[in-house]
Amino acid sequence: QVQLVQSGAEVKKPGASVKVSCKASGYTFTSYYMHWVRQAPGQGLEWMGIINPRGGSTTYAQKFQGRVTMTSDTSTTTVYMELSSLRSEDTAVYYCARGGTLTYWYFDLWGRGTLVTVSS
Amino acid sequence: QTVVTQEPSLTVSPGGTVTLTCASSTGAVTSGYYPNWFQQKPGQAPRALIYSTSNRHSWTPARFSGSLLGDKAALTLSGAQPEDEAEYYCLLYYGDAQLVFGGGTKLTVL
Repeated sequence: QVQLVQSGAEVKKPGASVKVSCKASGYTFTSYYMHWVRQAPGQGLEWMGIINPRGGSTTYAQKFQGRVTMTSDTSTTTVYMELSSLRSEDTAVYYCARGGTLTYWYFDLWGRGTLVTVSS
Repeated sequence: QTVVTQEPSLTVSPGGTVTLTCASSTGAVTSGYYPNWFQQKPGQAPRALIYSTSNRHSWTPARFSGSLLGDKAALTLSGAQPEDEAEYYCLLYYGDAQLVFGGGTKLTVL
């Protein structure tokens, strides 16, 4: 079955970087975009960006441009989201979610999320 | 800064009908915004319910339906069940692969 398995929780200091992984299985990895979405404690959902695993092209939300990097590894069917210059406001659960085949606006299956805590 | 607005909270009686809406600060929401709707229960990841205004995923119960209502996107729940109590988020597409979530609606079934 289609699965998105994310890496475990992280604790980082302000100014550091974090890299979260999302391993996909049960479908053709390169045929579907992948979104990244985050949710701060008690807050709503925030779209961060999208990657096309075939070729690695990305589009980021303006808020995160310059600080986020999304990559993919087709050999391991894994996508990564790296966020740099962390601050306390980046404390959140980070989700990957499968997108469409040729459409940016489609979502279906979600990973369980990765909690990133930024604290000195 | 584009803002997507949802009702902060709504209450529906078991078996009742409720409509959640999703408005854009840029103007009327049309099918070209490809509205998506998601359900999130406490401690869980979001679950996709509706895509492209009115299309249900294979796992979405038929009591959920999506539409355009006036100048907003809408999610209607007909025959509410206790298990439908959750937070609901809409998502709109603004072109150039830019997407924005609404602030969410907390739905209480009471």
